[in-house]
Amino acid sequence: NAGVTQTPKFQVLKTGQSMTLQCAQDMNHNSMYWYRQDPGMGLRLIYYSASEGTTDKGEVPNGYNVSRLNKREFSLRLESAAPSQTSVYFCASSKLPEYEQYFGPGTRLTVT
Amino acid sequence: AQSVTQLGSHVSVSEGALVLLRCNYSSSVPPYLFWYVQYPNQGLQLLLKYTTGATLVKGINGFEAEFKKSETSFHLTKPSAHMSDAAEYFCAVMLWGGGTSYGKLTFGQGTILTVHP
Repeated sequence: NAGVTQTPKFQVLKTGQSMTLQCAQDMNHNSMYWYRQDPGMGLRLIYYSASEGTTDKGEVPNGYNVSRLNKREFSLRLESAAPSQTSVYFCASSKLPEYEQYFGPGTRLTVT
Repeated sequence: AQSVTQLGSHVSVSEGALVLLRCNYSSSVPPYLFWYVQYPNQGLQLLLKYTTGATLVKGINGFEAEFKKSETSFHLTKPSAHMSDAAEYFCAVMLWGGGTSYGKLTFGQGTILTVHP
């Protein structure tokens, strides 16, 4: 039981490049989330998926898109990376929206 | 909308001393409250949570927190700090019961705990 897994662990992009961050959970959870973590700002919600087939914007969605591929997988795409998107990205999942969230190990992204 | 304020971005204690990390929240209705811990280069791990019922909640690793509605606080404590407690701690609030904020966690800025020998 791996919990929440994320790939890649590290990534360096040049401004304007695109990439997709992958997230998968094996806990049969319905809800999944993407956060970014920046120093002194805690974690901020980018997008979430309350259940398979639905996605909604969080606090900081600009510059990102998401896909809930199936119940297990939830990907985050940067279409045209900007230095302001340099951050650590965390995926999380929960059984239902009101339950506690379980976090993956994170992806450290640097945009130059 | 809900918000969370953690008082003190850095807290330093000696091994064996009391740990007190402060969290105050703002919410239009009584929220669910959480404390998470993050060790270096790792994801967040749930320490404890308050949903309903007993206002003093116990978590992992000897931590506990008390929900005080009148003070809108949810401070985290541990009677005796251990070197392994050094980490960053996040308080978070969640509204429940419907509405646009339903099921979304709002995090505080984090408090880095340093434990000295």
